[in-house]
Amino acid sequence: QVQLQESGPGLVKSSETLSLTCTVSGFSITTAYYWGWIRQSPGKGLEWIASKYYTGSTNYNPSLKNRATISMDTSKNQISLELTSVTAADAATYYCARGGDNYYFSMDVWGNGSTVTVSS
Amino acid sequence: QSVLTQPPSVSAAPGQKVTLSCSGRNSNIGFNYVSWYQQIPGTAPKLLIYANDQLSSGIPDRFSGSKSGTSATLAITGLQTGDEAEYFCATWDNSLSGGVFGGGTKVTVL
Repeated sequence: QVQLQESGPGLVKSSETLSLTCTVSGFSITTAYYWGWIRQSPGKGLEWIASKYYTGSTNYNPSLKNRATISMDTSKNQISLELTSVTAADAATYYCARGGDNYYFSMDVWGNGSTVTVSS
Repeated sequence: QSVLTQPPSVSAAPGQKVTLSCSGRNSNIGFNYVSWYQQIPGTAPKLLIYANDQLSSGIPDRFSGSKSGTSATLAITGLQTGDEAEYFCATWDNSLSGGVFGGGTKVTVL
């Protein structure tokens, strides 16, 4: 079955760049789905970050003010997220998910999440 | 403050029915599909409903979704203790050009 597994540093220093990777197994990311990132701050709700289709179409949350970049490595079947100039407000659990297009905007498979702490 | 408005909490006894509301605008719910997610504490969200009223694979038909105008509703019938969780609605917002979630509703089974 389709499985998504996030990986990342766990701890990032304020003002530096956060890099996360999502490894997909059981399904090719070049099949007809968008792939996205969603985060959840401690005790808070969900916040959509970005979604990407393997042919290049990409959407970003405008509130992140161009700090986020989503990319794909089709040879490794991975989706990545970079978030620059992090602050304490970026501390969250980051999920990758299958789906997130601007038509249905539904995510049917999720990873377990990667928790990120921001230190000063 | 979330773009989509959900009541913070609802509660009911086992076997009862609960309805969760999700209120938005023309730019989001009014013109786009709504999906619903269940999140049990410490776990990732799970898709329950997509395209307003379509049941996701493996989800029991005790769960149902509907949409009218700029509001959407998730109904849970035959409430079970295992349904205790937070429930989020989501959709695309044409004005923001991005996906948006509701703040979530915590369901408590009394």
